[in-house]
Amino acid sequence: AQTVTQSQPEMSVQEAETVTLSCTYDTSENNYYLFWYKQPPSRQMILVIRQEAYKQQNATENRFSVNFQKAAKSFSLKISDSQLGDTAMYFCAFMSRLGGGGADGLTFGKGTHLIIQP
Amino acid sequence: GAVVSQHPSRVICKSGTSVKIECRSLDFQATTMFWYRQFPKQSLMLMATSNEGSKATYEQGVEKDKFLINHASLTLSTLTVTSAHPEDSSFYICSARDWTSSYEQFFGPGTRLTVL
Repeated sequence: AQTVTQSQPEMSVQEAETVTLSCTYDTSENNYYLFWYKQPPSRQMILVIRQEAYKQQNATENRFSVNFQKAAKSFSLKISDSQLGDTAMYFCAFMSRLGGGGADGLTFGKGTHLIIQP
Repeated sequence: GAVVSQHPSRVICKSGTSVKIECRSLDFQATTMFWYRQFPKQSLMLMATSNEGSKATYEQGVEKDKFLINHASLTLSTLTVTSAHPEDSSFYICSARDWTSSYEQFFGPGTRLTVL
């Protein structure tokens, strides 16, 4: 079974600063996906960024980027130029990639509550 | 983008009654749907995987007789909480996988269940 660990229950930064959220995971698999999801107060889960394990290049989406270290099983999220709207819970998630190209359910970390201060 | 709806968004019921929650993919066909449970200020926990036309696969520790899942069509999955008790009160979230994608899941807005 896979486990996902987020060691920062809460973080607070000033608007426009850069913040990094940490995530580590444990798996014996070699082929999988990693995700960061945002959950604002509305509770709607929003995909922020994804990383495919077989890709060495770190994924980026505008102000969001990851530092994927496969050997260390680490997958941190960096948010640049943070904005008030970034305030939310952030969940790191793992998904196996089954041999037939199918997908499994997500295993989530406990989340980090990110607060952007004006 | 792909849209997943859930109904109802909130439900309050008495202990011992059953409650049905619907999860619909509105603009795509979902061969697989997932049901998650989220307690207050906690993470999402996968309860079961629902495949269209077959029995759901439940995660360890989830009672299949208590949480009945039906995935009768490519756009609808239902979760029925049978004989609900106060400890079943939680936020239930579904997600649906587009059959054309090997990884992307689209989440519904969730259903808050309160059992009195």
